[in-house]
Amino acid sequence: GQNIDQPTEMTATEGAIVQINCTYQTSGFNGLFWYQQHAGEAPTFLSYNVLDGLEEKGRFSSFLSRSKGYSYLLLKELQMKDSASYLCAVMGDMDMGRRALTFGSGTRLQVQP
Amino acid sequence: GAVVSQHPSRVICKSGTSVKIECRSLDFQATTMFWYRQFPKQSLMLMATSNEGSKATYEQGVEKDKFLINHASLTLSTLTVTSAHPEDSSFYICSARDYRWQGIDEAFFGQGTRLTVV
Repeated sequence: GQNIDQPTEMTATEGAIVQINCTYQTSGFNGLFWYQQHAGEAPTFLSYNVLDGLEEKGRFSSFLSRSKGYSYLLLKELQMKDSASYLCAVMGDMDMGRRALTFGSGTRLQVQP
Repeated sequence: GAVVSQHPSRVICKSGTSVKIECRSLDFQATTMFWYRQFPKQSLMLMATSNEGSKATYEQGVEKDKFLINHASLTLSTLTVTSAHPEDSSFYICSARDYRWQGIDEAFFGQGTRLTVV
């Protein structure tokens, strides 16, 4: 089966750094994705990790440890517009070779002034 | 990046009627598209995988006779909610993968459709 866990809500201050954790147990592993989703909108791609280590892209970084089934998304220099839900998604191996994404429940981040 | 267009963005329908949602890949061919459903404050749940030229693969618990999927061409998949009921009210999102891209097997999402059944 597939199971992805991440905190439900987090609050942080503008200008600060926040780390959103994600743990997963899936059937097979073909990569881990982070998406940002504002209320009422479709998710937008933030990052992708398939090998262990840190991937940095501007203010956002994502880390992966496959042996631990663990990832985190790091947001630096927080801005008010970063208030959104952050979805952790894993591409596992589903039946018939389908490589669909399984999403966590999402972490709602509230950035305060 | 690749663009996926979903239409309509919002629809309100009466209970018992059917609603069709379209998902198009605008600048690439998508042999596989995915349909998700998202209830308020919950994450995306995969409903079905749409395969061009063959039957869709439905996830456990999703009624295939209620949620009809047709992948008519390499750039178009449609989801029809038949005999809609208020409990079908949700945010429906499609995604497609551009297999031309190398290195990142990224899925691109449509804008989503907010369905309200009254």
